[in-house]
Amino acid sequence: DQQVKQNSPSLSVQEGRISILNCDYTNSMFDYFLWYKKYPAEGPTFLISISSIKDKNEDGRFTVFLNKSAKHLSLHIVPSQPGDSAVYFCAASGNRDDKIIFGKGTRLHILP
Amino acid sequence: NAGVTQTPKFQVLKTGQSMTLQCAQDMNHEYMSWYRQDPGMGLRLIHYSVGAGITDQGEVPNGYNVSRSTTEDFPLRLLSAAPSQTSVYFCASSYRESPLHFGNGTRLTVT
Repeated sequence: DQQVKQNSPSLSVQEGRISILNCDYTNSMFDYFLWYKKYPAEGPTFLISISSIKDKNEDGRFTVFLNKSAKHLSLHIVPSQPGDSAVYFCAASGNRDDKIIFGKGTRLHILP
Repeated sequence: NAGVTQTPKFQVLKTGQSMTLQCAQDMNHEYMSWYRQDPGMGLRLIHYSVGAGITDQGEVPNGYNVSRSTTEDFPLRLLSAAPSQTSVYFCASSYRESPLHFGNGTRLTVT
């Protein structure tokens, strides 16, 4: 049973436009959410996080939104750049559980 | 600044062979974990450790053993490799409740 779901395996966005990556979760005990970016032949790297006490966190071009009632979060990248082409993983953990669970990932292609 | 170091980078095993994937971190992180990445499956947690002497199972622990005798090292052992264990393996570490730092992975093929 998947606890963290990224239902879009891939997404193509024009350079300069907004990229929106979505993530849903099923475990109501999750209270900390993260996004990671992964290039081929490298390990994932941390991008941005949000705790359940917030509904938005911003870092430069990257903003994460959390809707707890819908158990949904999204990552917005504005404006999208060629270097943003990568696989993006959503991850979640709960304060009483040390497990960090990842989704299947979304491959983002930024088109010139 | 080595971060998280995984060795080897590539490995080919025959079914039934055993091996240990090494993972070392130099950041004094309490938390360490192993994930496997398979096409269409994302990153799945195999085992994790919250400190020396403490390990626990993740989502897909069968066929793998771990130990944590020091803060720095968290080896992953395959006692009898199977083709289903062909995957890319990532080790990660962090302070508690902080983002994970990942190594660059070990690509394992079991024939």
